[in-house]
Amino acid sequence: AQSVTQPDIHITVSEGASLELRCNYSYGATPYLFWYVQSPGQGLQLLLKYFSGDTLVQGIKGFEAEFKRSQSSFNLRKPSVHWSDAAEYFCAVVETSGTYKYIFGTGTRLKVLA
Amino acid sequence: GAGVSQTPSNKVTEKGKYVELRCDPISGHTALYWYRQSLGQGPEFLIYFQGTGAADDSGLPNDRFFAVRPEGSVSTLKIQRTERGDSAVYLCASSLTDTTEAFFGQGTRLTVV
Repeated sequence: AQSVTQPDIHITVSEGASLELRCNYSYGATPYLFWYVQSPGQGLQLLLKYFSGDTLVQGIKGFEAEFKRSQSSFNLRKPSVHWSDAAEYFCAVVETSGTYKYIFGTGTRLKVLA
Repeated sequence: GAGVSQTPSNKVTEKGKYVELRCDPISGHTALYWYRQSLGQGPEFLIYFQGTGAADDSGLPNDRFFAVRPEGSVSTLKIQRTERGDSAVYLCASSLTDTTEAFFGQGTRLTVV
């Protein structure tokens, strides 16, 4: 069965530092890949997506992610974190040969130190 | 509307009661998803509609859960004989087609007491 792993439950970084959140998936073919962000009490906001083509994708709020087929990974990065980035981040995959349902990881909670 | 709308935003119900949760997708979106999110967890898939039909209901936990989308727009998630374990945030999402990104509503927080 398809699965998504986000190995880091919590990450703490200082404001202005760089950030990388890890995401690995298990699926035979190339899925669609997404990163969503969720602030407390809010719904999920799409940060970026990968369907095909260039493996480095740019998103909103200065985020980017790189799809690495050989590692089955889709890590999220930001060169300089802002205090407003504190939130929970979810990686999701869509199995392109199935019914296109989204499978989410368990999330990474980001804390930003001033 | 501009986004996915879910009502009510909060629902408190007694154990054993019946509840309905409503989702208004973005206009024109053919795909609609229901997810359940427990505290500290990622969203868990429940059911996916393509148009009026349920394309995948493999995530519904048992026969107390049912969802409909009779006209291919608004959807209702129905939970019978609620249990305390049903307490969670229920999220709805819609996408233009299968192969475009999904947009999520703010969710309905269900509390069963």
